[in-house]
Amino acid sequence: NFMLIQPHSVSESPGRTVTLSCTRSSGNIGSNFVHWYRQRPGSAPTSLIYDNNQRSSGVTDRFSGSIDSSSNSASLTISGLRTEDEADYYCQSYDSDSRVRVFGGGTKLSVL
Amino acid sequence: EVKLVESGGGLVQPGGSLRLSCAASGFSFSRYEMNWVRQAPGKGLEWVSHIRVRAISKYYADSVRGRFTISRDNSKNSLYLQMNSLRPDDTAVYFCARERDSTSGNDYWGQGTLVIVSS
Repeated sequence: NFMLIQPHSVSESPGRTVTLSCTRSSGNIGSNFVHWYRQRPGSAPTSLIYDNNQRSSGVTDRFSGSIDSSSNSASLTISGLRTEDEADYYCQSYDSDSRVRVFGGGTKLSVL
Repeated sequence: EVKLVESGGGLVQPGGSLRLSCAASGFSFSRYEMNWVRQAPGKGLEWVSHIRVRAISKYYADSVRGRFTISRDNSKNSLYLQMNSLRPDDTAVYFCARERDSTSGNDYWGQGTLVIVSS
């Protein structure tokens, strides 16, 4: 199985743009869709982006997703940062060989 | 409104068993693949198990294979996770989640049920 590697924590200031990365350890990032979730403390995860770059229902266009074959990674970009964007963000994909779902370790985003 | 409500969590001794349930409403349960995902205290999300619509195909994380069994009852709009031979490192909040389309990620999640494995 491959792993999805995310930075443990990222900090950025309100109003700025931040990009969270998710690097696939082996195999091609483009082989399977990547999805992104946000989890606020004490709450269940919620879907932000699915199939690499599709915004889930009700998600503001401040959130966008992409993949980059050259770095074998996926990215979640959040523009116009707000303090309410402080949360843990997880990427997820699918391993076609073993048919298992794989989560990244998550990135804690601080907005300060 | 789509709702997923987990139940069945609690305190269990190492080696014990527990059965989690997830009651689904607000959508055609029988048409969706489903997942169990867990989160140990202070840790990240870990995918546990997946079941397809007719329950013919089931998949498990290596950490639970052979100990956990996923099942569903489409007539009752319910998803289950039978957990046997529980270990302290199975301690976590267990979420059920609906998969949008096969491998297209989870679009709805329950609030989770806490399982504590301790003597």
